[in-house]
Parts: sequence; structure tokens; C-alpha cells
Amino acid sequence: AQTVTQSQPEMSVQEAETVTLSCTYDTSENNYYLFWYKQPPSRQMILVIRQEAYKQQNATENRFSVNFQKAAKSFSLKISDSQLGDTAMYFCAFMKQTGTYKYIFGTGTRLKVLA
Amino acid sequence: KAGVTQTPRYLIKTRGQQVTLSCSPISGHRSVSWYQQTPGQGLQFLFEYFSETQRNKGNFPGRFSGRQFSNSRSEMNVSTLELGDSALYLCASSEGWGGYEQYFGPGTRLTVT
Repeated sequence: AQTVTQSQPEMSVQEAETVTLSCTYDTSENNYYLFWYKQPPSRQMILVIRQEAYKQQNATENRFSVNFQKAAKSFSLKISDSQLGDTAMYFCAFMKQTGTYKYIFGTGTRLKVLA
Repeated sequence: KAGVTQTPRYLIKTRGQQVTLSCSPISGHRSVSWYQQTPGQGLQFLFEYFSETQRNKGNFPGRFSGRQFSNSRSEMNVSTLELGDSALYLCASSEGWGGYEQYFGPGTRLTVT
């Protein structure tokens, strides 16, 4: 069975600084997707970034980038130039590509950006 | 395009009652998934529908059921409510089945007393 672990329940970062959120996962699958979702306080969950396991190049979306280490089963999210609007709960999620699938979410990391 | 909508947004029910939640996906999206979010258990997958068929199911008791209509709108039903069913129920839609990013609705906050 697949599992997703986010070992940092809470983190804080000063505005304009860089922060890295950790995520590790366990799977025997070779083809899968990894995602980071953001859930701001009392607001809808939105997709931040997505990574296909077969791609060696790390995904980037503006200030958000990932460090995908397939052999280590690690998928960390780096937020550069942190902004107050980045304050949110961040969820790492795994989805296998073959057979029956379902998203497996980590327990989340609550990030607070400080002014 | 309009986003995913869920109704009602808030609901208070009594133990033993049943409840039906509704989700309207983004226009053109054919896949709808349901999740239960609680502080203790985090986000847990309930089930996923695609083209009116349940394609995948999480580890929830049979009291939790769902369906999808021909216009891709989906409903989730919980019978014989228990206190532990209090949670935020999220619906997410995607264009297809497998590998697509999901777009989440605002959720329905269910409180069971």
C-alpha cells in the first residue's frame, strides 16, 4: 500500500525568504504522479505543482519548485520569496498511474508566513 | 468557467439521520471524487465516479454511498449518521480518469450532534 508522510506539522518563514516543505512516500509502483496542494484558511484547495514520476526534470511553477528524488522517494516543495498569501496548509499527494487509483494525501504542513 | 460547487455549505444533523451532499463539477469535467477531511485523519478518499460509474472506492463503511448523473453532477449520501462523521466533505472534479489534476470545491461542513 502507498503511504505519504509529511514530517513537519507546522512551519513558519519570514516574508521574502525561502522555505522547503518535506514529503516522503512509499510505493512499489514505477509510474505515478506526485502533487502539492495548498489549502488557505477557509478557502478552497488548489493545485500548486505536479510531477510525473517518469520525468527526471523537477517541476517549477513561478516561485514554487520541487526537488524530486525518485530513488529516495522524496518530493519536497520549495517556496521562494515567500508572500503573506502563501500562508496555508500544504498537502503532498500521490497517485499511481496504473490499475485502480486513488489519491493518497499526507497529513499536511501548516505554513505561516510572517510579516 | 465556473468552479466546482458544493451544496449545502453547512449542515447540522442528528445521530441516526441521513444526509445527501451535492457536487457540481467544472463544465466538461467527467470525473468527480469525494474526500472526507478531519483534523485527526486528514484527507481520506471516499470514492470516485466517471461517466456515471464508480471507478474506485476508499475504505469507508457501506453507510457512505454516492452516484453520478448523466450531466456529471454527483451526490454523496451518508446514512445512519454517527458523531464521527462530522467533517468537511470535499468534492473534486477532473477532466478524465487517472493522472489529471483535481479541482476542489469549497466543501460541505457536516456537524453531527
